[in-house]
Amino acid sequence: DTEVTQTPKHLVMGMTNKKSLKCEQHMGHRAMYWYKQKAKKPPELMFVYSYEKLSINESVPSRFSPECPNSSLLNLHLHALQPEDSALYLCASSRTGDSGNTIYFGEGSWLTVV
Amino acid sequence: AQSVAQPEDQVNVAEGNPLTVKCTYSVSGNPYLFWYVQYPNRGLQFLLKYITGDNLVKGSYGFEAEFNKSQTSFHLKKPSALVSDSALYFCAVRDRNTGFQKLVFGTGTRLLVSP
Repeated sequence: DTEVTQTPKHLVMGMTNKKSLKCEQHMGHRAMYWYKQKAKKPPELMFVYSYEKLSINESVPSRFSPECPNSSLLNLHLHALQPEDSALYLCASSRTGDSGNTIYFGEGSWLTVV
Repeated sequence: AQSVAQPEDQVNVAEGNPLTVKCTYSVSGNPYLFWYVQYPNRGLQFLLKYITGDNLVKGSYGFEAEFNKSQTSFHLKKPSALVSDSALYFCAVRDRNTGFQKLVFGTGTRLLVSP
């Protein structure tokens, strides 16, 4: 079982809204990731959590706030977003974050900011 | 910094013919290389990876890739293409500079298999 589950699949939010994207995995993985993907572009890393601690923040604006409540869950809190933040947000996980372990991706959450 | 290059934006092949999607890499030290496939409006699916050992790596759905250290390449291949293989393919490398935490993607190659 290599499943990473993301909710919601689609989200439309206004620029003043606060919303959250959620991600869950039950593979016992200790590294979890958020990636952002614009249309016809490769995914770009946003955040890495390793053993529930934030280990990489790729200079992401503070309007994106990640949270890792436990080893199975990863959230991305969204506030005061801009229309250019509209994209596919991909959650992923791997057994650990520091080797050649495979990173498994969820189906993504499509975010539209209006 | 680690990087991968996918020189072809699109590859066209007829069903039943062999396909190759090219990838070259630039790393310090030994690379950890991956191929992913993305179908329209979907997430990324893992196909295969090279960590160490045999240069020919076999993966999902009949795909394979050959690691060539001298040419710094990791081309994806399949002996007989299917129309259902039409998708966007990404080559990626785990970045040694971040302790391998960061997966760096190429720009992607769209594969179009015609009936």
